[in-house]
Amino acid sequence: GENVEQHPSTLSVQEGDSAVIKCTYSDSASNYFPWYKQELGKRPQLIIDIRSNVGEKKDQRIAVTLNKTAKHFSLHITETQPEDSAVYFCAASIDTGRRALTFGSGTRLQVQP
Amino acid sequence: SAVISQKPSRDICQRGTSLTIQCQVDSQVTMMFWYRQQPGQSLTLIATANQGSEATYESGFVIDKFPISRPNLTFSTLTVSNMSPEDSSIYLCSVYALGETQYFGPGTRLLVL
Repeated sequence: GENVEQHPSTLSVQEGDSAVIKCTYSDSASNYFPWYKQELGKRPQLIIDIRSNVGEKKDQRIAVTLNKTAKHFSLHITETQPEDSAVYFCAASIDTGRRALTFGSGTRLQVQP
Repeated sequence: SAVISQKPSRDICQRGTSLTIQCQVDSQVTMMFWYRQQPGQSLTLIATANQGSEATYESGFVIDKFPISRPNLTFSTLTVSNMSPEDSSIYLCSVYALGETQYFGPGTRLLVL
């Protein structure tokens, strides 16, 4: 089955700096890659996703890049703000059939004001 | 998006007992997913529930421990049977809405003493 590795496990940045979180996946058939943000005590919320027919997707301060050849994808947050502090999870799935997600281990992002 | 509710939101149970968690969605969906999130950990898929057929369990999860019902296209239950302290986790249901994005319920926080 699919295996998703995520790095780093913790990340501390100064407000206004950029943050980058990286994930690798093992199953070359995977073609859907969402990112979730989970604040303390709350459910995971989708912040951005990408499908394998594109290499990059942006939404305001957030972007995701995908390298299918290397089987890795990354989350980029620019101009970080204290409210970006949370745990971020990457995930991968095959976008047909069950479409069950396999999650990475998570990155705890701390934005220092 | 999808509006997903879960009951109970939290519970404290004695070891050896069972707890049934309910998940209700505001629209009809083909598949519902049940995840476990152990303290400080990532999300792990327990099983996928299809209406009208038996649930599909992931490796390491068995029907005797986690029986699932899916009586209609908007509702599912997950039972955690013969509980031990190791079952203390957050249990989340999720669905794909509009066929595109997986949304999560608010979770059920379970503590087993």
